[in-house]
Amino acid sequence: ETGVTQSPTHLIKTRGQQVTLRCSSQSGHNTVSWYQQALGQGPQFIFQYYREEENGRGNFPPRFSGLQFPNYSSELNVNALELDDSALYLCASSYGRSNTGELFFGEGSRLTVL
Amino acid sequence: AQSVTQPDIHITVSEGASLELRCNYSYGATPYLFWYVQSPGQGLQLLLKYFSGDTLVQGIKGFEAEFKRSQSSFNLRKPSVHWSDAAEYFCAVGALGDMRFGAGTRLTVKP
Repeated sequence: ETGVTQSPTHLIKTRGQQVTLRCSSQSGHNTVSWYQQALGQGPQFIFQYYREEENGRGNFPPRFSGLQFPNYSSELNVNALELDDSALYLCASSYGRSNTGELFFGEGSRLTVL
Repeated sequence: AQSVTQPDIHITVSEGASLELRCNYSYGATPYLFWYVQSPGQGLQLLLKYFSGDTLVQGIKGFEAEFKRSQSSFNLRKPSVHWSDAAEYFCAVGALGDMRFGAGTRLTVKP
């Protein structure tokens, strides 16, 4: 069973640039959620994709966008990067929309914005 | 709106001692409650979860948690801490995907 994998693991960008983060979900999972974890904080929900459609969104501006592909992998795109976007971005996969499902997390992509 | 408070930012315990990590939640309906652990450089791993039924739930690695509706709490416990338990612990509330996490409690284990 392949777990959740994220790429890249680390990256550095400058203010105003754009970034794309990628996530491969665990085998058999059709739902992907993205979280932002700032230093010393808990993860904050960005959005969730279920079967290629957005299925919920947290309090993040529109410059945070995402995609889910037919193989259920996903991308997180952030435009017009700001210094406060520096964080660990976590992807989590699960099966279905059930509220009882467990989230399986990847190890994250650490983004530094200079 | 759902929210989670973890009052303790950092806790230090001696190896072999008991542990209790506190979690208080705010949620408009029957809560779904979770505890996750995050080791340095790793993602979050689920320790245990509560949806309904028995208010004392058992998890992996010898952890347990007790749901107390009257106190809006879901505290995590372990009778004897091992050095490998040193990590960041997060309590979370809510539905799949739209989980709200607390700020975390960092656990240090003294030899």
